Amino acid sequence: DAKTTQPNSMESNEEEPVHLPCNHSTISGTDYIHWYRQLPSQGPEYVIHGLTSNVNNRMASLAIAEDRKSSTLILHRATLRDAAVYYCILRGISGYALNFGKGTSLLVTP
Amino acid sequence: SAVISQKPSRDICQRGTSLTIQCQVDSQVTMMFWYRQQPGQSLTLIATANQGSEATYESGFVIDKFPISRPNLTFSTLTVSNMSPEDSSIYLCSAEKGIFEQFFGPGTRLTVL
Repeated sequence: DAKTTQPNSMESNEEEPVHLPCNHSTISGTDYIHWYRQLPSQGPEYVIHGLTSNVNNRMASLAIAEDRKSSTLILHRATLRDAAVYYCILRGISGYALNFGKGTSLLVTP
Repeated sequence: SAVISQKPSRDICQRGTSLTIQCQVDSQVTMMFWYRQQPGQSLTLIATANQGSEATYESGFVIDKFPISRPNLTFSTLTVSNMSPEDSSIYLCSAEKGIFEQFFGPGTRLTVL
């Protein structure tokens, strides 16, 4: 499996934008970039995914580098509820389990 | 979307005993998975629960220790057998519906004394 590299932790102020980076230099052409997050004492939840183009949804935006070797999850206005561990995961189109790395622990301060 | 419930939500068990964890999805799904999350760690895949056939286990996990059933498209069970304190973890099931998104249950927090 292609691996991802994320910072162990990041900190943000409430209502500020947050950019969470992920490096995946060995990504294959068929790998999708997925982001999940795990709030304290909960199971992970899907955030967003993309293949080549930047993607937006109600939760976040995903910016993918042109060479696809890195991506950035963007939370436009962090709230205290966004404090979680964010996982960047590469995966084929369907039917495969998620290979969770260590993720980035995001701390949001008032 | 899919809503997943797990029973029990937590349990404290004696070593040498077994616990069966149930995972119920509110709609039919294609794939179901079981993960383990040890304290302070990330999630590790235990196995893929295949409907109507034997589960597919990841390296380091065996059927005798973690038997899994999946009798239909909405339900699966994971049994943790002959437990030891090292099995103390959170066990999570997930389900895939559609192509891209996986949904997770709230987890079962297991403590083995």
